[in-house]
Amino acid sequence: DAGVIQSPRHEVTEMGQEVTLRCKPISGHDYLFWYRQTMMRGLELLIYFNNNVPIDDSGMPEDRFSAKMPNASFSTLKIQPSEPRDSAVYFCASSFGSNSPLHFGNGTRLTVT
Amino acid sequence: SQQGEEDPQALSIQEGENATMNCSYKTSINNLQWYRQNSGRGLVHLILIRSNEREKHSGRLRVTLDTSKKSSSLLITASRAADTASYFCATDERGAQKLVFGQGTRLTINP
Repeated sequence: DAGVIQSPRHEVTEMGQEVTLRCKPISGHDYLFWYRQTMMRGLELLIYFNNNVPIDDSGMPEDRFSAKMPNASFSTLKIQPSEPRDSAVYFCASSFGSNSPLHFGNGTRLTVT
Repeated sequence: SQQGEEDPQALSIQEGENATMNCSYKTSINNLQWYRQNSGRGLVHLILIRSNEREKHSGRLRVTLDTSKKSSSLLITASRAADTASYFCATDERGAQKLVFGQGTRLTINP
């Protein structure tokens, strides 16, 4: 089992640029989550999917953020345009069934200058 | 919004001692989970305790849950240097699938 795979591991970009983060969940898992972690705000849930359908996106900060899950094995989180305050570690996690443990990827550290 | 709050924020103990971390939450839950995060890595699930359970063990880990006080504790016995990490509790806010995490306890085990 390869676990949840995220890419890239690190991303440095300039303000105003588009950023795309990628996630491959564990095969067979039907839930996928995007979290953001900062020192100030801790771990924040941005959005989650069930069977590729977005269920709750109330944590998405603003319209600059969008997430898609075109199929069961791939999801993207896009920020356009990026701003310095978006700098954080973004985690993807997946789970099988409701109320189940989450399996996290190792995250993407995003720095927006 | 923060559902769980860990206490203390930081804990430093000697190897071999026991470490206790506490978590408080605000709403009714189906279950409470504890996770560990090593520096620069993703969170790793440790243990899940359901709302109708009061205590659960897994190796050197012991978790208790008091739904009347809306609190949980994680005990790590006979700590090792490898236990150095941040520990988070997470709850399914009002029974929804979304997990809400606390701010975590940073645990340091001194050799």
